[in-house]
Amino acid sequence: QVQLVESGGGVVQPGRSLRLSCTASGFTFSSYGIHWVRQAPGKGLEWVAVISFHGSNEYYADSVKGRLTISRDNSRNTVYLQMNSLRADDTAFYYCARDRAPYSHGGGSAFDIWGQGTLVTVSS
Amino acid sequence: DIQMTQSPSPLSASVGDRVTITCQASQDITIYLNWYQQKPGKAPKLLIYDASNLQTGVPSRFSGSGSGTDFTFTISNLQPEDIATYYCQQYANIPLTFGPGTEVDIK
Repeated sequence: QVQLVESGGGVVQPGRSLRLSCTASGFTFSSYGIHWVRQAPGKGLEWVAVISFHGSNEYYADSVKGRLTISRDNSRNTVYLQMNSLRADDTAFYYCARDRAPYSHGGGSAFDIWGQGTLVTVSS
Repeated sequence: DIQMTQSPSPLSASVGDRVTITCQASQDITIYLNWYQQKPGKAPKLLIYDASNLQTGVPSRFSGSGSGTDFTFTISNLQPEDIATYYCQQYANIPLTFGPGTEVDIK
């Protein structure tokens, strides 16, 4: 069964750090780029970052550049989102999603497989 | 950044109706446009990619069209299970951007 499972969410104080994980199964993980997309409670979808299938290319939304870092470990079928200097406006459900196009070096296309999401709450 | 707008929102229709949502990009994105369905408490689901291609397993009552800056998403025969919020998304440029969403409900 093709799936992505996020973990690592929780409540964190402003300025602190958190690391999210996204573990894949049911497909050849090392062939696909993976994205993080977030959604503040009751709001719309915001793309956060993408990492290419080989991990050499990363792209970020301006709102998170310099604070959030995406990485991957193809031996563990896992993508990470290291979140530093967290702010209240980072509060959201964080979804990882697979890029539909395998072996893409670019910024991505469509998100065809999504995880169930993990909630990050930044609050003192 | 490419800005995406959607209309209408919200949208109220009857079972069996033909429902149309429009999405406009702030600049030419050729056909680099996708549509998603999101039900409350669930992750989004890809319905249409590259403006008009139906994702595998998606019912044929869903369709998409358009190119350039203007796109249309249609549900040909609205069903109760189609109650959701629908988002368009462009991938012509980084950052990838979504429309604000169109909430569809049943009259």
